[in-house]
Amino acid sequence: AQTVTQSQPEMSVQEAETVTLSCTYDTSENNYYLFWYKQPPSRQMILVIRQEAYKQQNATENRFSVNFQKAAKSFSLKISDSQLGDTAMYFCAFMTAYSGAGSYQLTFGKGTKLSVIP
Amino acid sequence: NAGVTQTPKFQVLKTGQSMTLQCAQDMNHEYMSWYRQDPGMGLRLIHYSVGAGITDQGEVPNGYNVSRSTTEDFPLRLLSAAPSQTSVYFCASSYGHNSGNTIYFGEGSWLTVV
Repeated sequence: AQTVTQSQPEMSVQEAETVTLSCTYDTSENNYYLFWYKQPPSRQMILVIRQEAYKQQNATENRFSVNFQKAAKSFSLKISDSQLGDTAMYFCAFMTAYSGAGSYQLTFGKGTKLSVIP
Repeated sequence: NAGVTQTPKFQVLKTGQSMTLQCAQDMNHEYMSWYRQDPGMGLRLIHYSVGAGITDQGEVPNGYNVSRSTTEDFPLRLLSAAPSQTSVYFCASSYGHNSGNTIYFGEGSWLTVV
């Protein structure tokens, strides 16, 4: 079974600054997908960014980028130019790439609560 | 498009009562699932379905029942509510053709069992 660990329960960052959220995972598989989800106070789960393990290039979505280190099983999220609207819980999640029912299931970390300070 | 719609948004139950959380999606997704989120935890998979008529258990299935009679709907039934089932429940869906497809979540249903 896969596990996902987020070692920072809470973090804060000044508005317009850059912050990095950490995530490590454990799997014996070689091919998989990794995700970062944002959960604002409304509790809605919003996909931030997605990384395919077989792609060496780190994924980027506007102000959000990842540092994917496959050998180290590390998947950190960098938020640049932090905005007040970035205040939320952030969850790292794993999905296997192998076919079958398990390929549609997400395994989540416990989350990091990010506060952006004006 | 409405996306993934959950009802009700809030519900208070007494111990031992039964109820159904409704979930519907209008994206013709094959895969649907239910997760629960407890304080200090990420989401955990309760049950999932890879198509109409096909369901299976996830990580925390005890006390819950599901069925999938249509592609659009995937209700979650609490058979005899217990305080341990107080949680926020999320329904999710995605295309079933390839793994790694984006999973879309509903807005959540807050359930309190007293």
